[in-house]
Amino acid sequence: SQTIHQWPATLVQPVGSPLSLECTVEGTSNPNLYWYRQAAGRGLQLLFYSVGIGQISSEVPQNLSASRPQDRQFILSSKKLLLSDSGFYLCAWSRKGQGWYGYTFGSGTRLTVV
Amino acid sequence: DQQVKQNSPSLSVQEGRISILNCDYTNSMFDYFLWYKKYPAEGPTFLISISSIKDKNEDGRFTVFLNKSAKHLSLHIVPSQPGDSAVYFCAARQGAQKLVFGQGTRLTINP
Repeated sequence: SQTIHQWPATLVQPVGSPLSLECTVEGTSNPNLYWYRQAAGRGLQLLFYSVGIGQISSEVPQNLSASRPQDRQFILSSKKLLLSDSGFYLCAWSRKGQGWYGYTFGSGTRLTVV
Repeated sequence: DQQVKQNSPSLSVQEGRISILNCDYTNSMFDYFLWYKKYPAEGPTFLISISSIKDKNEDGRFTVFLNKSAKHLSLHIVPSQPGDSAVYFCAARQGAQKLVFGQGTRLTINP
């Protein structure tokens, strides 16, 4: 069976500090990978998605970047965090092709920038 | 531009009654619609989906209705149970790779 791991679960970081959130998927190969953010009182906003190693699509101009160094690893980064980067960050994966059943989400990372 | 909208941020329903969550969309090219359920501090979990070629899909207590002419989607939960209290997101598939989510509706089931 497929599982998705996301860590850390909670993170408190000062403004201006760097960020690295990691997500890995097990039990599948060549998945589509996604980073979403849920800001306070708002819906799920797609930040980045990747269809393969080294292939990153950015949806929203922002202070963040993403990388996919391995097939089942997706990393969200920032060089200098802003207060507005606070939120609940979710990694997700999906299969490619037909029989599409949507995303499977990780458990999320609560980021508070202080 | 919000392509998927859930205009009710919250809904309160008595246990045993029907819960109806609504969702509107603007893009007629969406071909697949899904509902996700989210508890606090957890990732959303898939609940039920419907293809754009259908107008109804049922799974136990959950039924999703699609009105393409009105670009409207609804989720019915009957009967509502306390464990149904959560935030519900509707989502629509855009192309082969992406889901577009609504803002979410917080459902509270009162005993």
